Amino acid sequence: QVQLVQSGAEVKKPGASVKVSCKASGYTFTSYGISWVRQAPGQGLEWMGWISAYNGNTNYAQKLQGRVTMTTDTSTSTAYMELRSLRSDDTAVYYCAREGAAARGFDYWGQGTLVTVSS
Amino acid sequence: QSVLTQPPSASGTPGQRVTISCSGSSSNIGSNYVYWYQQLPGTAPKLLIYRNNQRPSGVPDRFSGSKSGTSASLAISGLRSEDEADYYCAAWDDSLSGPWVFGGGTKLTVL
Repeated sequence: QVQLVQSGAEVKKPGASVKVSCKASGYTFTSYGISWVRQAPGQGLEWMGWISAYNGNTNYAQKLQGRVTMTTDTSTSTAYMELRSLRSDDTAVYYCAREGAAARGFDYWGQGTLVTVSS
Repeated sequence: QSVLTQPPSASGTPGQRVTISCSGSSSNIGSNYVYWYQQLPGTAPKLLIYRNNQRPSGVPDRFSGSKSGTSASLAISGLRSEDEADYYCAAWDDSLSGPWVFGGGTKLTVL
């Protein structure tokens, strides 16, 4: 069965960086893209960006350009999201989600990783 | 401020039919598919409807989606207590807001 398993919770200071991992299993990793979506406490969902696991092409949300980098390691079927220059309003649960084929939307999600930014 | 507009709350009693609306514009709902996600408390979102009105396998047919112009709706019939959750609409957006945009979410309470 398809699974996306994310790394554990992180606590970071303002100005630091965080790197969250998302290990995929149960499907051919390079056949799908991975999006990252975050959710601030008590708030809605915000799309952060997408990476093709096939060729590494990326597409980032305009507001995060320059602070976010998404990568993949096809040898371990793992996607990574790094966010730099952290601010308090980056405190959120970060989700990875597989983008299904043929416009099926985000069909599988990771369990989420809480990133807390606090001095 | 979300690009897609949803009512913050909705409610119904068991067995009732409820609908949740999602309003957008020509650059998103008006020209692209609409998706709906269900988020139970403390869990990750789950795909409920894709391509406006398609249900993934395992999603009960009590859930249905529709789209007209720049608006979309999610209908839940035969409401059950386990349907109490947050519901989000999403769409691809052709403007600089995108490519993916979400609604602010609707909290559904089963009375």
